[in-house]
Amino acid sequence: GQNIDQPTEMTATEGAIVQINCTYQTSGFNGLFWYQQHAGEAPTFLSYNVLDGLEEKGRFSSFLSRSKGYSYLLLKELQMKDSASYLCAPLDSNYQLIWGAGTKLIIKP
Amino acid sequence: GAVVSQHPSRVICKSGTSVKIECRSLDFQATTMFWYRQFPKQSLMLMATSNEGSKATYEQGVEKDKFLINHASLTLSTLTVTSAHPEDSSFYICSARGAGRGKPYEQYFGPGTRLTVT
Repeated sequence: GQNIDQPTEMTATEGAIVQINCTYQTSGFNGLFWYQQHAGEAPTFLSYNVLDGLEEKGRFSSFLSRSKGYSYLLLKELQMKDSASYLCAPLDSNYQLIWGAGTKLIIKP
Repeated sequence: GAVVSQHPSRVICKSGTSVKIECRSLDFQATTMFWYRQFPKQSLMLMATSNEGSKATYEQGVEKDKFLINHASLTLSTLTVTSAHPEDSSFYICSARGAGRGKPYEQYFGPGTRLTVT
């Protein structure tokens, strides 16, 4: 079966760094997306990894290890507006996004 | 670029009536459109995938006669919830994918439609 595992909720302090982990099992693999979703809104694209390693984009970085079925999203210099859910979504062999429940990130001042 | 709109953003309807939700790709041709449903604090659930000019492919457990999907052009897909019931109240989100647009197989999401059935 296909499965995504992320922590349900995390709390971090404004200005700090937080790492959100994701492990996945899919039928085939064609890359992995991270999306941000604020409450009551649609997801917005953050990053895409298809090869092993770290992709850095401003305050956000995403890492992938295909052999381990593992990815993480690293958020630096946290801001209050980063309070949202973060969705790890791998692409399976049919190029369908597989969605987990996401990680709700709470930022405290 | 890669803007997807959805209309309406919110709708309240009475039980037994039908509601149509429109999804438009504004600045690209969407070869494939997806319809999702999301209940509070749950993951996105794919309802169906539609390719322009062909019948939608529904996910297991989704009633095709209740959730009618039409993808008549490369910029418009519609979802009609027929004979809506309170349990159909949810957040409906469409996304679109265009050939050669963005990251491989990246989906661009509309802002979502909050449906409340009373």
